[in-house]
Amino acid sequence: AQSVSQHNHHVILSEAASLELGCNYSYGGTVNLFWYVQYPGQHLQLLLKYFSGDPLVKGIKGFEAEFIKSKFSFNLRKPSVQWSDTAEYFCAVNTGGFKTIFGAGTRLFVKA
Amino acid sequence: EAGVVQSPRYKIIEKKQPVAFWCNPISGHNTLYWYLQNLGQGPELLIRYENEEAVDDSQLPKDRFSAERLKGVDSTLKIQPAELGDSAVYLCASSSSVWGGTGELFFGEGSRLTVL
Repeated sequence: AQSVSQHNHHVILSEAASLELGCNYSYGGTVNLFWYVQYPGQHLQLLLKYFSGDPLVKGIKGFEAEFIKSKFSFNLRKPSVQWSDTAEYFCAVNTGGFKTIFGAGTRLFVKA
Repeated sequence: EAGVVQSPRYKIIEKKQPVAFWCNPISGHNTLYWYLQNLGQGPELLIRYENEEAVDDSQLPKDRFSAERLKGVDSTLKIQPAELGDSAVYLCASSSSVWGGTGELFFGEGSRLTVL
């Protein structure tokens, strides 16, 4: 069955530390890839997306993600996190036909 | 532009009681989704509408769950009777016909249900 795996359920970092959140999926066909973020008390919102082209995509607030097709991965990165990045991050994979599968999420806490 | 609006934000009920959630999607978005999010998990699709037609309800537990989108705009999700295991967040999302099939979704704030 198709699935999305996020490697860490909880991550705690100090401000200015670098961030990398792992995401792997199981599906052999063409995919569209997303990272969504949910800040405390807010709705899920799109952070960045990959449809095709350059596998390194940049999103809002300095986030970027790299699609590595051979590894079925779409890891999220940020060179220097801020306290305001404290949120829950969800990786999502669309396999076509409106079918989108979400990972379980990673809760990031950034210490000021 | 107004986002996806859901109500209520929080609902506490006793088991076997009915409950209903309402969603108003972004204006012009013809695709509407209801997702279930259990604690510690990602959203899971319950039902998807294209205008007023439920085109994917394969994951909706039809013995107790029902949904409608009568005029192709706002939608209601109902649970009757509620069980303890229904405690979760019920998310509504919408998308335009252009981006809907790509997975780019716009979410509401969710309705958190607690069943006692």
